[in-house]
Formats: sequence, C-alpha cells, structure tokens
Amino acid sequence: EIVLTQSPATLSVSPGERATLSCRASQNVRDNVAWYRQKPGQTPELLIYGASTRAAGIPARFTGNGSGTEFTLTISSLQSEDYAVYYCHQYEGWPPGLTFGAGTKVEI
Amino acid sequence: QVQLVESGGALVRPGGSLRLSCEASGFIFSDFYMSWLRQAPGKGLEWISYINWNSRYIHYADSVRGRFTISRDNARTSVYLQMDSLTAEDTGVYYCARAANSGSLFADSWGQGTPVSVSS
Repeated sequence: EIVLTQSPATLSVSPGERATLSCRASQNVRDNVAWYRQKPGQTPELLIYGASTRAAGIPARFTGNGSGTEFTLTISSLQSEDYAVYYCHQYEGWPPGLTFGAGTKVEI
Repeated sequence: QVQLVESGGALVRPGGSLRLSCEASGFIFSDFYMSWLRQAPGKGLEWISYINWNSRYIHYADSVRGRFTISRDNARTSVYLQMDSLTAEDTGVYYCARAANSGSLFADSWGQGTPVSVSS
C-alpha cells in the first residue's frame, strides 16, 4: 500500500497570507495525485488532480505542484472559506489501491 | 449537474448487516466507475471499493474485503454497498463518489454521505 504523509498536521495562517501544504508518497506515484478541501461538516471538494490541474470552478489561488514522491498545494491568499482540512490522495497503478493522507488542518 | 444521493445508513449492532444505496443523476451513469468511501468520526478519508461500468472490475480495500460487496444497476443509475459482519470500526459517514475516468479513479463528485453507526 502506498502511504501518503502530509505535513504539517495543523497550519495557522492569517487571512490574506500564503499557505503551503506538503504531501510525501512512500513510493513513486508519478503525477497521480489529487487534493481535496473539506470544510467543517461538508463533503470533500476536489481542488486539484494530476498533481497540478485545477478542477472546474476552482479559483487560481490554488496551485498544485510536484511529481514522483513530493507534492505541494499552495493557497496564495487565504480566504475565509479556505479554513478547512486538506487531503492529498493518490491513484497510481492498476488496479490502483487508492489512499489518502491524514490531512492538514488550516486554521486562523 | 452531477447529483449523488446516498441512503440506507442506520444504527446496527456488531455482526449485523446493512445495505447502502446511491442514486445518481446528471450524467451518463454507465460511462463511469463508481466508488464508495468512508470517514470515521473525527478521522480522515478512506477509500473502500470501486466498480467499473459493467461490474467486471471490482476492487476493495483490505479493511473490508470479504465483508463488503459493491454492485450497480445501470438501468436504475444506482450503486450499492452490501455490508456484512459489521464492527465498531465500520462506524462513520459513507460517501458515494463518481470516479473521474477509467484511467484515473480519483473522485470528482461526491454525495452528501449517509451515516452508519455500529454499536450494541
């Protein structure tokens, strides 16, 4: 099983500041990584897939980077709706055993 | 737009069974893989199972293999999850999701979830 390690577990950021979240895979997943945002009490929302492609309707302040085993999600200027938990997710291989990181909570 | 509506969640005793349903609309259901995922209270996301359009390709997470069964009915645009031999560790919110495409099985649309509680 491919293990995803997210860091930090909690990130404290002021509104308008930049946030950078990290995700490390235990083996090469190429660019088969997605990122989700889960607001409190809500369903996860797809932000990024293919490591760097923004999903439909996702604002440009979200940027995904990386390949292989190291990935980042950057939020350029935190808005109120961005205070949430973020999960990275890998879907490498066939058949893929899909796994998620433990999440990074972004708080004020 | 894509809509996924789960149902069937309930309180069940350890060792019991439950069948979850998910009705889809807003897209050509038979064109897509479908998945079930779950989230234990206060915990992260866990993929459980996926099924391809004609039910020939089905995979399960190790944590549920042999106890859970995924199925689908394209005529009813629905996917199901039969859960047997339930334990307290199966408690959580269960989500139905659409996989983006057959080559990349990340979920691009999620339902609102249905809660399952396993307790005596």
